[in-house]
Amino acid sequence: EPEVTQTPSHQVTQMGQEVILRCVPISNHLYFYWYRQILGQKVEFLVSFYNNEISEKSEIFDDQFSVERPDGSNFTLKIRSTKLEDSAMYFCASSESQGGQPQHFGDGTRLSIL
Amino acid sequence: AQKVTQAQTEISVVEKEDVTLDCVYETRDTTYYLFWYKQPPSGELVFLIRRNSFDEQNEISGRYSWNFQKSTSSFNFTITASQVVDSAVYFCALSEAARGGFKTIFGAGTRLFVKA
Repeated sequence: EPEVTQTPSHQVTQMGQEVILRCVPISNHLYFYWYRQILGQKVEFLVSFYNNEISEKSEIFDDQFSVERPDGSNFTLKIRSTKLEDSAMYFCASSESQGGQPQHFGDGTRLSIL
Repeated sequence: AQKVTQAQTEISVVEKEDVTLDCVYETRDTTYYLFWYKQPPSGELVFLIRRNSFDEQNEISGRYSWNFQKSTSSFNFTITASQVVDSAVYFCALSEAARGGFKTIFGAGTRLFVKA
């Protein structure tokens, strides 16, 4: 069964550094998402992306965050200048259509900011 | 504004007991989707079920069953004859139409412990 894949599985970064989290969505999917989960807390929506532009973003997704689909397969989340509170599990998801298809989640990237 | 409430933070049961996880949602949309996801200790999110707002039929899948009631805005999840492998955090989620895609809002999750 096709999967959403995320790399790396764990990223350790010094505070203030830039970090890029990578995702390969399922190949025929058109909608892409990033979520984050601070340890022990709920999963929070960050951003959705369709047709090469952001379609929706949350209050968490401020100017420090950006997303990109640099080629036909990757979908990246960049955090420009990381803060301690950015430490979390980041999940990428994709869905085939807008119609509430179950969003397929990757296994997540655990980001640790030191 | 949408909201998902899972009032039960933690539930502990003994194997073979039945357990129901509650989920109450708020939305102004008439078209929306409800989901349940399982997050085992390994951390990944596993899709369990999706239900759209126009389909109030309850669903059974093996030991899992879901009760969707629009009148009470609830989408409860029952595990029959629980097993140790069911131990996980379970998230209820609501998806409303956002421009260009559906934004999914998660509840706080219910941590289920199943003891042998």
